[in-house]
Amino acid sequence: DTEVTQTPKHLVMGMTNKKSLKCEQHMGHRAMYWYKQKAKKPPELMFVYSYEKLSINESVPSRFSPECPNSSLLNLHLHALQPEDSALYLCASSQRAGQPQHFGDGTRLSIL
Amino acid sequence: AQSVTQLDSHVSVSEGTPVLLRCNYSSSYSPSLFWYVQHPNKGLQLLLKYTSAATLVKGINGFEAEFKKSETSFHLTKPSAHMSDAAEYFCVVRPNAGKSTFGDGTTLTVKP
Repeated sequence: DTEVTQTPKHLVMGMTNKKSLKCEQHMGHRAMYWYKQKAKKPPELMFVYSYEKLSINESVPSRFSPECPNSSLLNLHLHALQPEDSALYLCASSQRAGQPQHFGDGTRLSIL
Repeated sequence: AQSVTQLDSHVSVSEGTPVLLRCNYSSSYSPSLFWYVQHPNKGLQLLLKYTSAATLVKGINGFEAEFKKSETSFHLTKPSAHMSDAAEYFCVVRPNAGKSTFGDGTTLTVKP
């Protein structure tokens, strides 16, 4: 069992839908991350939150909107996605930014 | 600038034989180095980390890695492979307080 919980595990959505991915950790970590992973590829960093503030945005399109409501929760709001956005979306956390990360099992997203 | 090269995209071993997954890195600063494992449909799990202490690092599940500065290598080894070791392995380099860079991954197959 992972200590970082992501919901939902699977999501199928149309290009006009709005949905959200959720991530939760209760390890007291103050850094949280969103990654995108395509099949047979390493994870690509999207966003980093440190102490609930966005510290890194890796030039991610605005159709992806992160939110960190508190130190335990991280959301990724999705709107008007494209088929190429289909991927596994991984959330991770660490005690502080740059320290070893704990990953959730991901949300597998399919865009129709 | 930093980079990480996993020298083999696929490694196949027989159960009970040694495992060697090779990783070379380049970094302008003294880096931290990590190995992560990813089983199918799962997130990444930290196997071990090097952070400028002992050069031989022991991790979980019988894995270990040796940091060799002169060769800029951080190869992952295990004396005896188990079927459950079949997975994708990622070598990650992070300069001091910098952003992590993932290798492209090595797929480990374990034959009975």
